[in-house]
Amino acid sequence: EIVMTQSPATLSVSPGERVTLSCRASQSVSSYLAWYQQKPGQAPRLLIYDASTRATGVPGRFSGSGSGAQFTLTISSLQSEDFAVYFCQQYYLWLRYSFGPGTKLEIK
Amino acid sequence: EVQLLESGGGLVQPGGSLTLCCAASGFTFSTYAMSWVRQAAGEGLEWISSISDRGGSTYYADSVRGRFTVSRDNANNTVCLQMNSLRAEDTATYFCARDKPSFDNWGQGALVTVSS
Repeated sequence: EIVMTQSPATLSVSPGERVTLSCRASQSVSSYLAWYQQKPGQAPRLLIYDASTRATGVPGRFSGSGSGAQFTLTISSLQSEDFAVYFCQQYYLWLRYSFGPGTKLEIK
Repeated sequence: EVQLLESGGGLVQPGGSLTLCCAASGFTFSTYAMSWVRQAAGEGLEWISSISDRGGSTYYADSVRGRFTVSRDNANNTVCLQMNSLRAEDTATYFCARDKPSFDNWGQGALVTVSS
């Protein structure tokens, strides 16, 4: 089982700021890493897959990087609609996936 | 447009059974693996089960293995999750998701409450 961790658990930021969220895997997952955004009462939304590829319709202010066991999601300039919870997910092991615990972005 | 619609959620007593199904439309269902993910209130996402495109391979999280069974009907574009021996800790919203293998489309979720 691959265990995913994320840091920080909560991040208080102001609109317009640049933020970087971290995700770490307990072993290498190559680039088989996705990021999701979830707002209250909604299903998660895929933002980034294959560590750095933006999903369809995702604004350019979202970017992903990393490989192996260390990954980051960067939001270049936070908009009001970006305040949400962000989860990373590994899919290195086919059909045996795991998510990180999430990072909540709060308005400062 | 891809659509995933879960059904079958509800209230069930501990030790009881429930079957969730997810009806898919807007894509060639038989060419995608499908997965189930659950989320307890206020908690994170927990992957619980996946099934390959033809149904020949299935996997489960340790927390549900031996109690839950995933299946699919490619003729009717449906994937189901049979849940037996339900426990209070299985209370959650259950999402089905299209497996790319990243999850690019999700259903709206079905609430399962296990309580006496």
